[in-house]
Amino acid sequence: NAGVMQNPRHLVRRRGQEARLRCSPMKGHSHVYWYRQLPEEGLKFMVYLQKENIIDESGMPKERFSAEFPKEGPSILRIQQVVRGDSAAYFCASSPPVAGSYGYTFGSGTRLTVV
Amino acid sequence: AQTVTQSQPEMSVQEAETVTLSCTYDTSENNYYLFWYKQPPSRQMILVIRQEAYKQQNATENRFSVNFQKAAKSFSLKISDSQLGDTAMYFCAFMKHSNFGNEKLTFGTGTRLTIIP
Repeated sequence: NAGVMQNPRHLVRRRGQEARLRCSPMKGHSHVYWYRQLPEEGLKFMVYLQKENIIDESGMPKERFSAEFPKEGPSILRIQQVVRGDSAAYFCASSPPVAGSYGYTFGSGTRLTVV
Repeated sequence: AQTVTQSQPEMSVQEAETVTLSCTYDTSENNYYLFWYKQPPSRQMILVIRQEAYKQQNATENRFSVNFQKAAKSFSLKISDSQLGDTAMYFCAFMKHSNFGNEKLTFGTGTRLTIIP
């Protein structure tokens, strides 16, 4: 059981480039969540997806950010035209359809640095 | 909307001692879940302990236990016999119960705990 896999672990992008972050959920989990952690802060919810469906994107910035979880393959968080303020650690978590007190299982995160 | 407050940005304690991390939350929900996550320097988020709001009994996991006070909306974490490997950021988190699937986790800002040899 490989757990939640995120790649890359570190990503450096120049301002204006696109960043693509990948997340493969834990085996048997069909729900994926993306969180952002700014330096010295807690994790902030961005988006909640299940296969081919966005359940809750209330934490996503209105522009430049998008997420998908296709029928086949990992979930992708895409940030277009990155700016310095996008520099953060981005965490993916997964859960079964009803997490309850089980909570989520987190990946190790992708640290995005915009230069 | 729910909020989670951790009022201790940093704490330190000698190895083998006991330490308590505080957490308060604000919600109008009656049924929910509370969690403590640990984030060591590796950055991995590790679930330490969980509590269902409808259970009066405080959760325990080996050296980790909680003091859940529902009326006071307080959820503190006690670490007994602290070890060097407990050095990490600790985040308190809230998730409301849903009959229709899952809800998002709301995190506090964290407490940086250092265990001193």
